[in-house]
Amino acid sequence: EVQLVESGGGLVQPGGSLRLSCAASGFTVSNNYMTWVRQAPGKGLEWVSLIYSGGTTYYADSVKGRFTISRDNSKNTLFLQMNSLRAEDTALYYCARETNPHVMDVWGQGTTVTVSS
Amino acid sequence: QLVLTQSPSASASLGASVKLTCTLSSGHSNYAIAWHQQQPEKGPRYLMKLNSDGSHSKGDGIPDRFSGSSSGAERYLTISSLQSEDEADYYCQTWGTGIRVFGGGTKLTVL
Repeated sequence: EVQLVESGGGLVQPGGSLRLSCAASGFTVSNNYMTWVRQAPGKGLEWVSLIYSGGTTYYADSVKGRFTISRDNSKNTLFLQMNSLRAEDTALYYCARETNPHVMDVWGQGTTVTVSS
Repeated sequence: QLVLTQSPSASASLGASVKLTCTLSSGHSNYAIAWHQQQPEKGPRYLMKLNSDGSHSKGDGIPDRFSGSSSGAERYLTISSLQSEDEADYYCQTWGTGIRVFGGGTKLTVL
């Protein structure tokens, strides 16, 4: 079964850091484009970051310079390192697989990040 | 700038049909999109990829009640024989090199 399971969310103070993980099963992360999407409370979906199968990475302007997307091929896991966190980063963070191409066809269940003092 | 515009809300009666609209920004009328459904308190679910010519490919297990069509810069999601579980937020999404864009979402209420 193709599945994505996010973890690593939590409560962090402004200026702090968190690393989110997205463990994949049923397919190989490194063979696909993978993306992070977030949803602030009561709001819509917002694209955060993308990693191509070749390793090229892209970021939304709102997180550029603060967030880093990466993957561990041996663990078949995607990561999002989040530094210098702000209150406006508070959201439910989803990882998704892209295929077909560029279509987010498999989503995880999300992990919650709360930035607050 | 690549932007997707959706109406914030829509409603239709149980058993009826509804057509949701996603509009691509000027200069991007040939872009394909994807439709995603988000039921209350759940993660998003991929419904289909919709091309500018109206051809579409659905995700695994998506019922035939869901279909897509296109006209110019407009992309449509039609849901027929509405069921209570169709009450959800629906998002369109598109892409460019190194960028992904979501519409603001349409909240569908099944009356």
